[in-house]
Amino acid sequence: AQSVSQHNHHVILSEAASLELGCNYSYGGTVNLFWYVQYPGQHLQLLLKYFSGDPLVKGIKGFEAEFIKSKFSFNLRKPSVQWSDTAEYFCAVKFLTDSWGKLQFGAGTQVVVTP
Amino acid sequence: EAGVAQSPRYKIIEKRQSVAFWCNPISGHATLYWYQQILGQGPKLLIQFQNNGVVDDSQLPKDRFSAERLKGVDSTLKIQPAKLEDSAVYLCASSLVREGEQFFGPGTRLTVL
Repeated sequence: AQSVSQHNHHVILSEAASLELGCNYSYGGTVNLFWYVQYPGQHLQLLLKYFSGDPLVKGIKGFEAEFIKSKFSFNLRKPSVQWSDTAEYFCAVKFLTDSWGKLQFGAGTQVVVTP
Repeated sequence: EAGVAQSPRYKIIEKRQSVAFWCNPISGHATLYWYQQILGQGPKLLIQFQNNGVVDDSQLPKDRFSAERLKGVDSTLKIQPAKLEDSAVYLCASSLVREGEQFFGPGTRLTVL
């Protein structure tokens, strides 16, 4: 069965530190890849997405992610975090097994940035 | 542009009662999704509509859950009867086309006692 796993459930770091969140999926076929973020009290919103092309994807708010096909990974990075990056981050994968491609989410990583 | 609207925002019921949630997607969005997010987990797709037709309900517990999208716009999700394990946040999302970005609503937090 297809699955999405996120490596860390909770991450605490200081402002200006670098952030990297891991995401792996189990499926050898074609996928679309996403990172969503949920700030406290707000809706889930899209950070970035990868469909094809350059495996290094840039998103909003200085985030980027790299798709490594051989490792089935799509890790999220930000070189220098701010207090406002405190949020829950979800990796999501659309497994294109059929024409509809169901979106499957990881369990999420709660990131807390301390001043 | 108005976002995805959901109501109610919170609901507390006792087990075996019924409950309904409402979703109004972004205007013009053909695809509508209902997700269930249990505490500590990511959202799980329950049902996906394309206009007013169901295209995926493989993870919907059909013995107690039902959903409809009349006229291809608003949608309701119903649980009858509710169980304790149905306590979760129910998220509605919509996209312009099935391949497009999904926009999420604020969710309805359901507590079943």
